[in-house]
Amino acid sequence: RKEVEQDPGPFNVPEGATVAFNCTYSNSASQSFFWYRQDCRKEPKLLMSVYSSGNEDGRFTAQLNRASQYISLLIRDSKLSDSATYLCVERGSSNTGKLIFGQGTTLQVKP
Amino acid sequence: DADVTQTPRNRITKTGKRIMLECSQTKGHDRMYWYRQDPGLGLRLIYYSFDVKDINKGEISDGYSVSRQAQAKFSLSLESAIPNQTALYFCATSDRLAGIEDTQYFGPGTRLTVL
Repeated sequence: RKEVEQDPGPFNVPEGATVAFNCTYSNSASQSFFWYRQDCRKEPKLLMSVYSSGNEDGRFTAQLNRASQYISLLIRDSKLSDSATYLCVERGSSNTGKLIFGQGTTLQVKP
Repeated sequence: DADVTQTPRNRITKTGKRIMLECSQTKGHDRMYWYRQDPGLGLRLIYYSFDVKDINKGEISDGYSVSRQAQAKFSLSLESAIPNQTALYFCATSDRLAGIEDTQYFGPGTRLTVL
């Protein structure tokens, strides 16, 4: 089983739609989780961290469910510019700073 | 100017050739990382370094070596390139500040093709 698993998609949604991605992780001791965004052929960039209490940044909401070992990303009012691959990332239990990446979920927002 | 730079950006080489990918950063971070990205597999860690004298293997270090020449420079070498090393390679940096989560900052990537 992969340490971090995501549905690769693609998710094709119309502008203005609400879309949600889930990601599951296998290490129950993992401390921190993140969502990174990667545009085609570009480098990944941090979108947001994921806290136990959940966090929101504008149209984006991230949540963590430790009991079921999954994290989610909700995007409201999708924009064309949201089209990208969203990488689910965990930082393991050791103090190494190493990140473990999921394979990514591709989102295509259509006009 | 970009904070994390990689050279070359694209490279086509032949099986058996030695090739070096270079990474430089101006962020002043201590930690540097090399990843490769393959379709359907996500990013996988090759090597990481917490300072000039601290270098560690990642999950897929076989066939690769690294050199941390200075705090700002971290090079990845393929001593004898093989076709399954064809991938997109990313360098990243991070700094651990008290109370702040690690954020990794990525370079623009090097697209390597081994024929």
